[in-house]
Amino acid sequence: AQSVTQLDSHVSVSEGTPVLLRCNYSSSYSPSLFWYVQHPNKGLQLLLKYTSAATLVKGINGFEAEFKKSETSFHLTKPSAHMSDAAEYFCVVSEGSYIPTFGRGTSLIVHP
Amino acid sequence: EAGVAQSPRYKIIEKRQSVAFWCNPISGHATLYWYQQILGQGPKLLIQFQNNGVVDDSQLPKDRFSAERLKGVDSTLKIQPAKLEDSAVYLCASSSREAGYTEAFFGQGTRLTVV
Repeated sequence: AQSVTQLDSHVSVSEGTPVLLRCNYSSSYSPSLFWYVQHPNKGLQLLLKYTSAATLVKGINGFEAEFKKSETSFHLTKPSAHMSDAAEYFCVVSEGSYIPTFGRGTSLIVHP
Repeated sequence: EAGVAQSPRYKIIEKRQSVAFWCNPISGHATLYWYQQILGQGPKLLIQFQNNGVVDDSQLPKDRFSAERLKGVDSTLKIQPAKLEDSAVYLCASSSREAGYTEAFFGQGTRLTVV
């Protein structure tokens, strides 16, 4: 069975400082992993995805994530936070065809 | 291309009433999902369709929830009768073989409040 754990319910950073949102997964097979972002009253938007190609994945808006099989992690990073990055972020794991399991979400707060 | 369309955007009903949500996926997407997102939680898959067949409905409360996708395109999700704990955002998503079924595209959701 697959599962995903987002280690922080809230992350608070200052504008211009690095962002780290942590995600650990559990999967019996080689998983696909995703990060989605959800702005208030907006739909879910795909930031990036890992599907067994390069372990360092670059996404939209300057975000990237690294798949580390030995650590079963897929942490999301960004070198410099922007006010517009404030949102809810979801880590998602899927085995085989896209049957995804979402994490509980991490709320990113960006201070001016 | 047009995205996933859902209606209504908002719905308020009293407990024990019934409600229905509608979803129109991206054209040509064979796979359609319904998710329930309770405030403060991640989305939970309720049901997954492949064309008009059900792939997974293991987390659908079948005593009160039902969903159909009769022609393999639009889908409706119904709750009858609604309970207070059904208050949530109901998200519809679709994916396609061309994308390798490796990602889903989400609609904006229907926010249901049961009072």
